[in-house]
Amino acid sequence: DADVTQTPRNRITKTGKRIMLECSQTKGHDRMYWYRQDPGLGLRLIYYSFDVKDINKGEISDGYSVSRQAQAKFSLSLESAIPNQTALYFCATSDPRTGAYNEQFFGPGTRLTVL
Amino acid sequence: SQQGEEDPQALSIQEGENATMNCSYKTSINNLQWYRQNSGRGLVHLILIRSNEREKHSGRLRVTLDTSKKSSSLLITASRAADTASYFCATARFYNQGGKLIFGQGTELSVKP
Repeated sequence: DADVTQTPRNRITKTGKRIMLECSQTKGHDRMYWYRQDPGLGLRLIYYSFDVKDINKGEISDGYSVSRQAQAKFSLSLESAIPNQTALYFCATSDPRTGAYNEQFFGPGTRLTVL
Repeated sequence: SQQGEEDPQALSIQEGENATMNCSYKTSINNLQWYRQNSGRGLVHLILIRSNEREKHSGRLRVTLDTSKKSSSLLITASRAADTASYFCATARFYNQGGKLIFGQGTELSVKP
């Protein structure tokens, strides 16, 4: 679904490097989320933002930071990448007008490998 | 910690058979959702059932919710090879901020032609 896009789609980096994953959406949704997926662990919430001025930590925020540059853009940064941050990262959006607990729309994912 | 526990972790069936996946959770919820993920792709929302609902249908999908047992099931009838994917349940609780989903580990479904 091209409504939520993520760049890059694949990234290989080295331990200690700073990297940024970007998410853009054209759905006009206020709420945006970053998840990571590891085999056998499902998806775990890293950070979420309910509007441009609102940033909240999720379940596993240590080692990550985010920036909500605009309603349509939400970036995830790894300040100093480490190998156990190797995972598949997903951005998602939701629309509060449909209620507080509503379906989320996911981007295609970024596969990150930290060597 | 994960809210949802899914069972089985993997399921292999023949085309035309029904597939049933189960999800258990630990705390009270506002709603429970099911998502599908094709290999290496983003998740796609399938169906949402609210805590005051017991059963919901969407095409070949049937979802049940038993809040007394804190469990839900997803039934896919007359399965097709194209249904091969991972299926995740996700629960939404009441938080002050609201809107967060907690995902289970998923069931990997393989439908053989």
